[in-house]
Amino acid sequence: SQKIEQNSEALNIQEGKTATLTCNYTNYSPAYLQWYRQDPGRGPVFLLLIRENEKEKRKERLKVTFDTTLKQSLFHITASQPADSATYLCALVGTRSGNTGKLIFGQGTTLQVKP
Amino acid sequence: GAGVSQSPRYKVAKRGQDVALRCDPISGHVSLFWYQQALGQGPEFLTYFQNEAQLDKSGLPSDRFFAERPEGSVSTLKIQRTQQEDSAVYLCASSLKGVNTEAFFGQGTRLTVV
Repeated sequence: SQKIEQNSEALNIQEGKTATLTCNYTNYSPAYLQWYRQDPGRGPVFLLLIRENEKEKRKERLKVTFDTTLKQSLFHITASQPADSATYLCALVGTRSGNTGKLIFGQGTTLQVKP
Repeated sequence: GAGVSQSPRYKVAKRGQDVALRCDPISGHVSLFWYQQALGQGPEFLTYFQNEAQLDKSGLPSDRFFAERPEGSVSTLKIQRTQQEDSAVYLCASSLKGVNTEAFFGQGTRLTVV
């Protein structure tokens, strides 16, 4: 069955350091991969989308890589700030054979940035 | 509206009671999704609408769950004869078209079945 795994343990880092979150998947060939941020009591908020033929995508302090051979995406936040503390979700989207119209989410990784 | 709006924000239901959860998507958004999120887990897909057509309902856990979007705008997720395992946050999301664009999520409805 399709499976998405993110770091199950919370990630604690010092302010100013780079946070790296991992998303691994099996039994799936996504056309796209998205990353979302979720704060307690709120819905997820879209951050970045990367296509299967793209290796890397950047947006301000955020960087996403997508390795379809390793079936892995890495999400980096550089110069992290306490305000970056949240749960980060990766989501797989679509397949090469068609767009099923749904997001398949990982369980999320909680990031805590200490001042 | 400015974003996706869901109501009620919180709902407490007695076991066996029927509930209806409402979603107002962003105006003009063709696609609408419902997700269920258990505590500490990622959202799990329930169903997908393109305008008024329900194109995918593979995630609905049982025939007690029913969703509709009769005019291609507002959507309602109905749960009949609620059970304790239905307790979760129900999230609605909308997007312009398909899922190769970003999805905008509402704040969710937290359902507690007692």
